[in-house]
Amino acid sequence: KAGVTQTPRYLIKTRGQQVTLSCSPISGHRSVSWYQQTPGQGLQFLFEYFSETQRNKGNFPGRFSGRQFSNSRSEMNVSTLELGDSALYLCASSRSGQETQYFGPGTRLLVL
Amino acid sequence: QKEVEQDPGPLSVPEGAIVSLNCTYSNSAFQYFMWYRQYSRKGPELLMYTYSSGNKEDGRFTAQVDKSSKYISLFIRDSQPSDSATYLCAMTPDSKLTFGKGITLSVRP
Repeated sequence: KAGVTQTPRYLIKTRGQQVTLSCSPISGHRSVSWYQQTPGQGLQFLFEYFSETQRNKGNFPGRFSGRQFSNSRSEMNVSTLELGDSALYLCASSRSGQETQYFGPGTRLLVL
Repeated sequence: QKEVEQDPGPLSVPEGAIVSLNCTYSNSAFQYFMWYRQYSRKGPELLMYTYSSGNKEDGRFTAQVDKSSKYISLFIRDSQPSDSATYLCAMTPDSKLTFGKGITLSVRP
């Protein structure tokens, strides 16, 4: 069974731009969660989507948003990029959310 | 106080050593406990998952949870150079995982 895939793997943007990241979960998984990983803060939860609805949200500003499609694929958008948004963005999927989450390889975003 | 505290690293051990990795937590609502391994420039890989106090063994890995003390551990027996990675504890009451900062382990041949 194919794992979680994320595209693109690497991105370079400049301050003020916006970016969209994509995540395809494991087949049969309906829950998709997004995390931000930085050396200083570690792994932090952004939000979780289940059946196209945001079910849980972390403590990030409104510039960070997401959505989920009917096939469970998810996208994450960051608007008005700041230097501090440079990070590894990880997507994780699970069947229903309340059990083990499997991570993708991540998208490494660099904001200049 | 952070919700999850993980022993700081890095940690360097010789091949064949027993490794003990530890995390403490403050949120009594945490019910599910996980250990992930992350190699450089890769996503975290699930190693162990448990939801009850006690020990769970999988090959060379043993996860231990003590809910009364709010303490979890991961033991690695007969450590190998291929175990060199960052180890992250994670826990959750539902679907929002809260992670420790991670500890980088180096196993010397």
